[in-house]
Amino acid sequence: AQSVTQLDSHVSVSEGTPVLLRCNYSSSYSPSLFWYVQHPNKGLQLLLKYTSAATLVKGINGFEAEFKKSETSFHLTKPSAHMSDAAEYFCVVSDRGGSYIPTFGRGTSLIVHP
Amino acid sequence: AAGVIQSPRHLIKEKRETATLKCYPIPRHDTVYWYQQGPGQDPQFLISFYEKMQSDKGSIPDRFSAQQFSDYHSELNMSSLELGDSALYFCASSQGTSGSFNEQYFGPGTRLTVT
Repeated sequence: AQSVTQLDSHVSVSEGTPVLLRCNYSSSYSPSLFWYVQHPNKGLQLLLKYTSAATLVKGINGFEAEFKKSETSFHLTKPSAHMSDAAEYFCVVSDRGGSYIPTFGRGTSLIVHP
Repeated sequence: AAGVIQSPRHLIKEKRETATLKCYPIPRHDTVYWYQQGPGQDPQFLISFYEKMQSDKGSIPDRFSAQQFSDYHSELNMSSLELGDSALYFCASSQGTSGSFNEQYFGPGTRLTVT
């Protein structure tokens, strides 16, 4: 069965410093991987997705993620954090073994200090 | 661009009451998914519909039922509400055939509070 582990429940950075949110996945098939962002009391917004094309995926708002099969990882990065990036981030995996129903990670709360 | 619409946005009910949540997918999207997100939790998949037929079922309680109508909107019916049903309920829609993953677009959610 597919699964996803977000290694940090909270990440705290200063504005203007790099962001790294870690995600490891488990899948017996060729997975699709996604990062979603959720601002307080808001819905989920897709940041980026990997679906077996280029392993380095660029998303919105300057975020990107690299699919590393050998490490079963899909970490989310951003060179310079903005205050508006403070939110909850979910890593999501989907494959045909799970009937393509997405499995969400537990979420990482990104805190950005001025 | 049109997004997924959910109504109501907030709902307060008492224990043992019933609630109906509505979801209007993006135009031309034929698949609807329902998720439940408890406080501080990740979204949990409840149920999905493709072309008005149930396609997959997750951790949906027997007290809940859902359907997708001819105009592709969906309703989640919740009966005998319990305190533990208090959560944010998301609907998502996608376009594509059952049995493959297509990018899901999420609505803003309905916050249900059971007192």
